[in-house]
Amino acid sequence: GAVVSQHPSWVICKSGTSVKIECRSLDFQATTMFWYRQFPKQSLMLMATSNEGSKATYEQGVEKDKFLINHASLTLSTLTVTSAHPEDSSFYICSARNPFSGIAYNEQFFGPGTRLTVL
Amino acid sequence: AQSVAQPEDQVNVAEGNPLTVKCTYSVSGNPYLFWYVQYPNRGLQFLLKYITGDNLVKGSYGFEAEFNKSQTSFHLKKPSALVSDSALYFCAVGQRGDDKIIFGKGTRLHILP
Repeated sequence: GAVVSQHPSWVICKSGTSVKIECRSLDFQATTMFWYRQFPKQSLMLMATSNEGSKATYEQGVEKDKFLINHASLTLSTLTVTSAHPEDSSFYICSARNPFSGIAYNEQFFGPGTRLTVL
Repeated sequence: AQSVAQPEDQVNVAEGNPLTVKCTYSVSGNPYLFWYVQYPNRGLQFLLKYITGDNLVKGSYGFEAEFNKSQTSFHLKKPSALVSDSALYFCAVGQRGDDKIIFGKGTRLHILP
């Protein structure tokens, strides 16, 4: 149980185009999903917290107009990188929290990640 | 504010020897502590967690970690390293009532055959 998928696993796009990444919780409902960015050989940087049915909460320094997050259902959150540029190239990882697990701690289940390369 | 420190960028251990990957944390209340492992171009795999109870936590693949409140540490250990344990290890900390968890910068573990 507690499987999170991401699609696509990798994507290459031209500079100026927009790219959408999907994060799905396959066997549980996730009212909260998180989006992270990981640079090569570095840690995960939390970009935003996505709550179903409401606006995402972005971390300081993350451009909300650049990284659009939608969490329209309890099993799907999307991250759209708008007008992508080479500096947006990175590994993007999502995670999901199951608040109904009956366990009073904030364990997150991680997706396999999406490698974005902007040419 | 929560923070996590992994003081070692890289740890090298000979196969069969015990290994330790260090982690210290800072939170204002009682911590939730996690260890994750990441293989190249993959997402994070959960190893173990400390929420409450016994200070020694046993997890996947023979790993364990000891919660030390006085030293604010949560070091990851394994009695006998395998070459397949070579990967990037992340320590993370959270708090009750806060959805976020904060990751350390990661420690690359090299197990030498």
